[in-house]
Amino acid sequence: DTVLTQSPALAVSPGERVSISCRASEGVNSYMHWYQQKPGQQPKLLIYKASNLASGVPARFSGSGSGTDFTLTIDPVEADDTATYFCQQSWNELTFGSGTKLEIK
Amino acid sequence: EVQLVETGGGLVQPGRSLKLSCVASGFTFNNYWMSWTRQAPGKGLEWVASITNSGGSTYYPDSVKGRFTISRDNAQNTLYLQMNSLRSEDTATYYCTRGGYYGDWFAYWGQGTLVTVSS
Repeated sequence: DTVLTQSPALAVSPGERVSISCRASEGVNSYMHWYQQKPGQQPKLLIYKASNLASGVPARFSGSGSGTDFTLTIDPVEADDTATYFCQQSWNELTFGSGTKLEIK
Repeated sequence: EVQLVETGGGLVQPGRSLKLSCVASGFTFNNYWMSWTRQAPGKGLEWVASITNSGGSTYYPDSVKGRFTISRDNAQNTLYLQMNSLRSEDTATYYCTRGGYYGDWFAYWGQGTLVTVSS
């Protein structure tokens, strides 16, 4: 299985820029996708195929990367962005990262 | 507006069976691959099963292969997950998701239905 590694948690202040990383154990081409999950809610697609913004998602969110290293960037961060962010690859079966919990100070 | 509404969750004993349903609306159901994804309490996400838009092919990870069966009724815009030989580690919220297998992503998610496997 392709293992996706994310840092467990980050804390930033409103208005700052934050980058959330996801590293794959093997290359996944550009087939990396990002989801936001707020407490008690279902996940929501933010970015598909590494850098494409999903419909209705604010342009403050962006994605980059290819191969094994990918980044989700939020700039500027808002209080409402408090959530857990998951990466997911679909190049080699389907696997998810363990999630990065983002706290807004 | 795309809507995915899951039903069928509940408490079930280990070794027993349960069938989940997901009714889809707001899009042309038979144009899309569909999947089930689950999340154990306080844990991360795990893909469980995918099915092609026609229903002709299905895909599973090793953790559920041979125990779970995904199916669909395109006339009723409904997706199913038959879960047999349930184990405590299958306890999770099960989400119906629009999207498929290789190269795809999960564009829409239902609100989820909780399955608890316990004696």
